[in-house]
Amino acid sequence: AQKVTQAQTEISVVEKEDVTLDCVYETRDTTYYLFWYKQPPSGELVFLIRRNSFDEQNEISGRYSWNFQKSTSSFNFTITASQVVDSAVYFCALSEETDSWGKLQFGAGTQVVVTP
Amino acid sequence: NAGVTQTPKFQVLKTGQSMTLQCAQDMNHNSMYWYRQDPGMGLRLIYYSASEGTTDKGEVPNGYNVSRLNKREFSLRLESAAPSQTSVYFCASTDISQPSNYGYTFGSGTRLTVV
Repeated sequence: AQKVTQAQTEISVVEKEDVTLDCVYETRDTTYYLFWYKQPPSGELVFLIRRNSFDEQNEISGRYSWNFQKSTSSFNFTITASQVVDSAVYFCALSEETDSWGKLQFGAGTQVVVTP
Repeated sequence: NAGVTQTPKFQVLKTGQSMTLQCAQDMNHNSMYWYRQDPGMGLRLIYYSASEGTTDKGEVPNGYNVSRLNKREFSLRLESAAPSQTSVYFCASTDISQPSNYGYTFGSGTRLTVV
């Protein structure tokens, strides 16, 4: 069963618009980690953020912000004032304690297209 | 630069041929992983090695074998390539004994086409 769901396949925005990427996860563990990765057209995977299940504090890093809500099992990602360089596929991923850690389970990814 | 190095970057195989994808990390990580990426499916775990000397199957192990040669190196072998194995392969490593620094480093990927 899919444990990480990214319902949005593709989002297209015009530069300077905000874009929010949804991520819903499923786990029975009380201890787990959530990640976001960016995959630009060049293909590499770029780490953006890691959150553990005990830290629900939202985070802002420059134009990026993350909203972690355990009550709804969601870990959403917002890009503020998008730029063309933000065009990429974004992946949400889960790592669970009872799964011996180490095994990242990815969502299907959301393609973000930012046009000038 | 420290990180995960994968070779080759590109490969074309004929159906039935064999090949080995190489992966090496220089961060002294205990755990290493092989993922494949197919359009619309995210990354799926093929095999992993939690520590030197151990390997385990992931979500999609059929048609693959792995070898954890030493702490640094983790190879993925296709014994008889099939078109269904056309994909982009990523190697990754992490140190799960350090939760406060827990994170994955990925290689740049190998784009494999089986014709």
